[in-house]
Amino acid sequence: NAGVTQTPKFRVLKTGQSMTLLCAQDMNHEYMYWYRQDPGMGLRLIHYSVGEGTTAKGEVPDGYNVSRLKKQNFLLGLESAAPSQTSVYFCASSLAGWGETQYFGPGTRLLVL
Amino acid sequence: RKEVEQDPGPFNVPEGATVAFNCTYSNSASQSFFWYRQDCRKEPKLLMSVYSSGNEDGRFTAQLNRASQYISLLIRDSKLSDSATYLCVVIDLQGAQKLVFGQGTRLTINP
Repeated sequence: NAGVTQTPKFRVLKTGQSMTLLCAQDMNHEYMYWYRQDPGMGLRLIHYSVGEGTTAKGEVPDGYNVSRLKKQNFLLGLESAAPSQTSVYFCASSLAGWGETQYFGPGTRLLVL
Repeated sequence: RKEVEQDPGPFNVPEGATVAFNCTYSNSASQSFFWYRQDCRKEPKLLMSVYSSGNEDGRFTAQLNRASQYISLLIRDSKLSDSATYLCVVIDLQGAQKLVFGQGTRLTINP
């Protein structure tokens, strides 16, 4: 099992550009999450999904959109990137609930110039 | 006040020492608690859950103090490989923010 994978690993964008981060899991997990991690801020939840076809806002959803068309994939989109979105983005999944172990992907480092 | 607070450290301790750090939370209705470990430039990984009765896994002990609203992590006989950032996680299924991570406590074990 690959677990949770993320694509790409690193990306540089110019302000205003768009991009999509892909997260895939092969553990048949229901719940998937997108976080951003910034120095001194810890991990903050952007959006999450409790099952295929569902998405919900987390703590810091502004400027991001998500889709969960297939159970194994959770996409995070930036429509118009801003320097404030420079961060490390982690995807995670858990089997069936908030109180269960979250398995994280290796992260995507995004730099917005 | 932040929902979940941790002393960011860094804690620098010699190999073999015992080290402990806490994580305080503001929501008394929080139900579940966890400790995750994150190595430098890596993803977080679950270290252990924190039960009301406490939880011990080898050299690691996690405790919950509901009255004072904090969880703790104790590491005995520390190893060089314990150097990492330790993140606490607090779950409140009834709250608007169902899951909150602390900012992490950085620990360095010195030879």
